Amino acid sequence: EAGVAQSPRYKIIEKRQSVAFWCNPISGHATLYWYQQILGQGPKLLIQFQNNGVVDDSQLPKDRFSAERLKGVDSTLKIQPAKLEDSAVYLCASSPDGYNQPQHFGDGTRLSIL
Amino acid sequence: GDSVTQMEGPVTLSEEAFLTINCTYTATGYPSLFWYVQYPGEGLQLLLKATKADDKGSNKGFEATYRKETTSFHLEKGSVQVSDSAVYFCALSDPGNEKLTFGTGTRLTIIP
Repeated sequence: EAGVAQSPRYKIIEKRQSVAFWCNPISGHATLYWYQQILGQGPKLLIQFQNNGVVDDSQLPKDRFSAERLKGVDSTLKIQPAKLEDSAVYLCASSPDGYNQPQHFGDGTRLSIL
Repeated sequence: GDSVTQMEGPVTLSEEAFLTINCTYTATGYPSLFWYVQYPGEGLQLLLKATKADDKGSNKGFEATYRKETTSFHLEKGSVQVSDSAVYFCALSDPGNEKLTFGTGTRLTIIP
């Protein structure tokens, strides 16, 4: 089965610019997650979708970050305007319906803010 | 809130050495426990998991046992290989909430 696809792999922008990341989950997976992984730290959940509804966005900095999952499939995460502290790897993961299903991760997008 | 504490790295071992990476957790309920591995330039991959006390997860020669009494889930391997060089993350999820809480990761380097 095809894995979780993310693009771009790398992005370099200047602070105060905007950026968007795209994620295509594994076909049939109802749940989609966006994580932020700052260098030297473990991933931190930003937002969790169940189909096209938001389950948890308590850690999403909503003044600058937004995410959507139209039609319950692909998802886009946007940052506007970017700050230096947003430099990180942004990981997308998906999992099927059901209890204790494992999350499958994409390779991530490495964002550098200059 | 939930948290995971991992043994700080980096860890460097010779090939065929015995590996232990310590992991302890704090959670309000009875979480599921996971070890994920991240090879250079790649995303996280599930290595093994355990969903209840005394369960042992195993994969690729790695093992970890869910110890409720010590709130631990230490990762072990009897004989490491160069190909095991990666960053290892311990994580937990609460029942009914599939959100993962990760430790800070332990970088493992195996030298021939």
